[in-house]
Amino acid sequence: QQQVKQSPQSLIVQKGGIPIINCAYENTAFDYFPWYQQFPGKGPALLIAIRPDVSEKKEGRFTISFNKSAKQFSLHIMDSQPGDSATYFCAPEGGATNKLIFGTGTLLAVQP
Amino acid sequence: NAGVTQTPKFQVLKTGQSMTLQCAQDMNHEYMSWYRQDPGMGLRLIHYSVGAGITDQGEVPNGYNVSRSTTEDFPLRLLSAAPSQTSVYFCASTLRPGVYGYTFGSGTRLTVV
Repeated sequence: QQQVKQSPQSLIVQKGGIPIINCAYENTAFDYFPWYQQFPGKGPALLIAIRPDVSEKKEGRFTISFNKSAKQFSLHIMDSQPGDSATYFCAPEGGATNKLIFGTGTLLAVQP
Repeated sequence: NAGVTQTPKFQVLKTGQSMTLQCAQDMNHEYMSWYRQDPGMGLRLIHYSVGAGITDQGEVPNGYNVSRSTTEDFPLRLLSAAPSQTSVYFCASTLRPGVYGYTFGSGTRLTVV
């Protein structure tokens, strides 16, 4: 059974801080590791994703770090802004299944 | 290019009523899925489809039916609504899993009284 564990459940940081959200998985067949961002009243939107052949990927202020041996990947938000306040989900994919299973989400609040 | 379109945006049903949540995408995506989102539970997969005529169950399929007669449309049917089905429902699609990520609709907020 695929299991995805996301932490923390909620996070409060000051503007300019660097929140870090973690995702641990069990299925070693996963080969695509995305993070989704969801604002209140909206559907999730793909934010950034990484493949296991690299250990880090940056897109603007968002960075994914990937640790294959630990079966974990993390989202870092550099110079966080109040507009980054949202819920973030990890949803690793791959292997024989076509099912997309999400982590339970992390509610991030960036205070001005 | 409208992406993934869900209708209605809001719906109130009485217990025992049936209804269909509509989902349509114009991106020629083969893969489509339905999720429900409840506070503290994240997004849970209800049903998914890998192409027209092919559907399968997700984590929480009971009380829901789906069909996929065209590539564009993937409706979700509630057979006999129950208060436990009060939730926000999202439809999502992708051209290829594990390659492009999923595109989500804006959701349907359903209340069953």
